[in-house]
Amino acid sequence: SQQGEEDPQALSIQEGENATMNCSYKTSINNLQWYRQNSGRGLVHLILIRSNEREKHSGRLRVTLDTSKKSSSLLITASRAADTASYFCATDRNTGNQFYFGTGTSLTVIP
Amino acid sequence: DSGVTQTPKHLITATGQRVTLRCSPRSGDLSVYWYQQSLDQGLQFLIQYYNGEERAKGNILERFSAQQFPDLHSELNLSSLELGDSALYFCASSVGPGTFSPLHFGNGTRLTVT
Repeated sequence: SQQGEEDPQALSIQEGENATMNCSYKTSINNLQWYRQNSGRGLVHLILIRSNEREKHSGRLRVTLDTSKKSSSLLITASRAADTASYFCATDRNTGNQFYFGTGTSLTVIP
Repeated sequence: DSGVTQTPKHLITATGQRVTLRCSPRSGDLSVYWYQQSLDQGLQFLIQYYNGEERAKGNILERFSAQQFPDLHSELNLSSLELGDSALYFCASSVGPGTFSPLHFGNGTRLTVT
């Protein structure tokens, strides 16, 4: 069963624009992670944010976490065509030993 | 390159058959996870092994089984295959048993059941 729900399901933007994706989840968590998947390939880890953190940055990525609303957002600034991929959030449902993935946001960056 | 190797890349087989998917984790990683990705179900957690022992079980059917060997490679066995088992099967590895380290995914095995 899914834990997270990404929103929107699909997003299309022009190169250079910012892309924001949201993730909502249902149970408490230890941490939340974001992954990227290029078509037909394995997922690639982007960033991990712990439940006691509110914001993290990595290069052009910015992740926020609001545990009171059980939601997270991923912002990609100055998008590039190479950012075209599906983006997934994953949580551990406070189990500490397994990851549950959301349904993903499909991002298309138009050159 | 994640360092996780999955074989074969593609597998086409008939209903009722049995197949084995193989995964070699990234060097130094002791945990192996198996996931199934299909269009209608998204990415579903199947099972996790840590250092040879089963650690967590997800939505794994009784027709499916897995194990992790002493050299840490893992195999996922799928039997009595049905059309609905057609999917992309991913193996992922991580350093520790818990969820505070990221997963490193292989490129998957695409299984087609005809």
